Amino acid sequence: QSVLTQPPSVSAAPGQKVTISCSGGSSNIGNNYVSWYQQLPGTAPKLLIYDNNKRPSGIPDRFSGSKSGTSVTLGITGLQTGDEAAYYCGTWDSSLSAVVFGGGTKLTVL
Amino acid sequence: QVQLQESGPGLVKPSESLSLTCTVSGYSISSGYYWGWIRQPPGKGLQWIGSISHNGSPYYNPSLKSRVTISVDTSKNQLSLRLSSVTAADTAVYYCARGGSNTVAVANNWGQGTMVSVSS
Repeated sequence: QSVLTQPPSVSAAPGQKVTISCSGGSSNIGNNYVSWYQQLPGTAPKLLIYDNNKRPSGIPDRFSGSKSGTSVTLGITGLQTGDEAAYYCGTWDSSLSAVVFGGGTKLTVL
Repeated sequence: QVQLQESGPGLVKPSESLSLTCTVSGYSISSGYYWGWIRQPPGKGLQWIGSISHNGSPYYNPSLKSRVTISVDTSKNQLSLRLSSVTAADTAVYYCARGGSNTVAVANNWGQGTMVSVSS
């Protein structure tokens, strides 16, 4: 059971937009920065978004992050088949004194 | 650009200790950032094991703290993980990662990961 809650799967057609939610509480998302990671099949995760909505260099602006209260959302526009991956949110939990992750969301581009 | 490469035994016996090394290239560990370990059991999600600052201050996941030691060897530019008294539940892909410049809560760069199985 993950501290952060993500939907197990989402799907959308190529070219469309999809959003992935991640919900938590005041001890984690509510008062700390959140990051998002993309894990393509058989590879290591890669940082997509940090500090809730910032993109590292090299990450296309098709990827965006937003935060509202104790939830964050990852948005992906112009979906490509190469976006098929698992996506994880992560943040610090002040009550647990630990970095916590969501259970991951598998994106299928139909 | 920074690169990280994990190495260590792929098979460990139950009750023994797991030891992994992460060799960093393209950046000097002593220059800054946090450095950490994250694992992923087969078919499951990510679990933070712990992190260490460039000057050697460790931060451990409370659920693993009694069994974990993370250290840095700046002369070799390496990060190490030791996990004692392993069980089958410790079977996972182990990743080393460079954290943030002032936070352990982000993993900016990842190694390719190394699979460790715990079995007799």
